[in-house]
Amino acid sequence: EIVLTQSPGTLSLSPGERATLSCRASQSVSSTYLGWYQQKPGQAPRLLIYGASSRATGIPDRFSGSGSGTDFTLTISSLEPEDFAVYYCQHYGSSPFTFGPGTKVDIK
Amino acid sequence: QVQLVQSGPELKKPGASVKVSCNSSGYIFTYNGINWVRQAPGQGLEWMGWISPYNGNTKYAQNFQGRLTMTTDTSTSTAYMELRSLTSDDTAVYYCARARYNWKDYRDAVDIWGQGTMVTVSP
Repeated sequence: EIVLTQSPGTLSLSPGERATLSCRASQSVSSTYLGWYQQKPGQAPRLLIYGASSRATGIPDRFSGSGSGTDFTLTISSLEPEDFAVYYCQHYGSSPFTFGPGTKVDIK
Repeated sequence: QVQLVQSGPELKKPGASVKVSCNSSGYIFTYNGINWVRQAPGQGLEWMGWISPYNGNTKYAQNFQGRLTMTTDTSTSTAYMELRSLTSDDTAVYYCARARYNWKDYRDAVDIWGQGTMVTVSP
């Protein structure tokens, strides 16, 4: 089973600041099978990025993904008020798919 | 628009079974796989498995082998998830989620999520 570790656990930033979230895998993951999701309290997750760097339909271009091998990054270039949420990375290249524990982005 | 609508909350006793439904609309049901993901209160996300509505193929996470069954009814565009031998550890919100791209390969991100079904297991 591939274990995903996310850092930091919590990121305290102000609107307009840049957010950089990290996801590290316990073994190499094909970029094709790495995604990022956003979840707000009481809501289902929302797909932001698939294939490590492709934005899902309707996702603003302030969200970008990068990385390869065991290290992946989600960047939010300039935080909007609606971006304060929990972010999960997920690998889906082999069973079982696993999610990271999440990074909470909260308002400083 | 594309949406998945799940059945309502469930309260079950330990040892019982639960069956959650997920009705799809706004797209051709057989074109995309359906995943099930759960989230215990205050915890992260756990993938349970995948089913292809096109051919009924399934892929279950090893953690649930033997007590999990996923099915679909193409006549009503509905997916079902049944979990048996429930314990308090199964208390969670259960989500169905559509595979983004295809019905054939389970290795796919999920792009549309149901609203979630709360399953509580308590004596």
